[in-house]
Amino acid sequence: AQTVTQSQPEMSVQEAETVTLSCTYDTSESDYYLFWYKQPPSRQMILVIRQEAYKQQNATENRFSVNFQKAAKSFSLKISDSQLGDAAMYFCAYRREIKAAGNKLTFGGGTRVLVKP
Amino acid sequence: KAGVTQTPRYLIKTRGQQVTLSCSPISGHRSVSWYQQTPGQGLQFLFEYFSETQRNKGNFPGRFSGRQFSNSRSEMNVSTLELGDSALYLCASSLGGGRGYTFGSGTRLTVV
Repeated sequence: AQTVTQSQPEMSVQEAETVTLSCTYDTSESDYYLFWYKQPPSRQMILVIRQEAYKQQNATENRFSVNFQKAAKSFSLKISDSQLGDAAMYFCAYRREIKAAGNKLTFGGGTRVLVKP
Repeated sequence: KAGVTQTPRYLIKTRGQQVTLSCSPISGHRSVSWYQQTPGQGLQFLFEYFSETQRNKGNFPGRFSGRQFSNSRSEMNVSTLELGDSALYLCASSLGGGRGYTFGSGTRLTVV
């Protein structure tokens, strides 16, 4: 079974600075998808960024970028120029590529990001 | 474009009762997944429905069930509620193919 581990329960960052969140996963498969989701106090999970395992290029979405190391099974998220609105829980998630697996996401335990003004 | 709508937002039930939660996916999305979120266990997959068929099921007891209607709206039902069922229940809809999932705001269930 696949597992996703986020080793940092909480990270604090100064406004306008950069913070990096760690995520490691365990899988025997070669094709899969990885996601970072943000959950603010409003509770709604918001997709931040996604990465297809077959793509070597790291995904980027505005101030958010990932460092995808397939061999090391590592998928870290970098938030640049942090803003107060970035304060939230961040979850790393894994999805198998096999069609029969459907759309099941396996989540890590989450990292709380605090942004100091 | 309307997002994923979950109703109700909050619910308080007594042990032993049953409860039904509703999820309306984004128009055109045929896949609906349900997750349970608790402080202790984190986010756990309950089940997924695609075109009215359950395609995948998590490791939850049979008291947890669901269904999907022809318009893709989905309901999940929990019978004989236990205190441990208190959680945030999240629904997500998707086009499939790993393109990402859009979540609703969840239903906060409290069992007393």
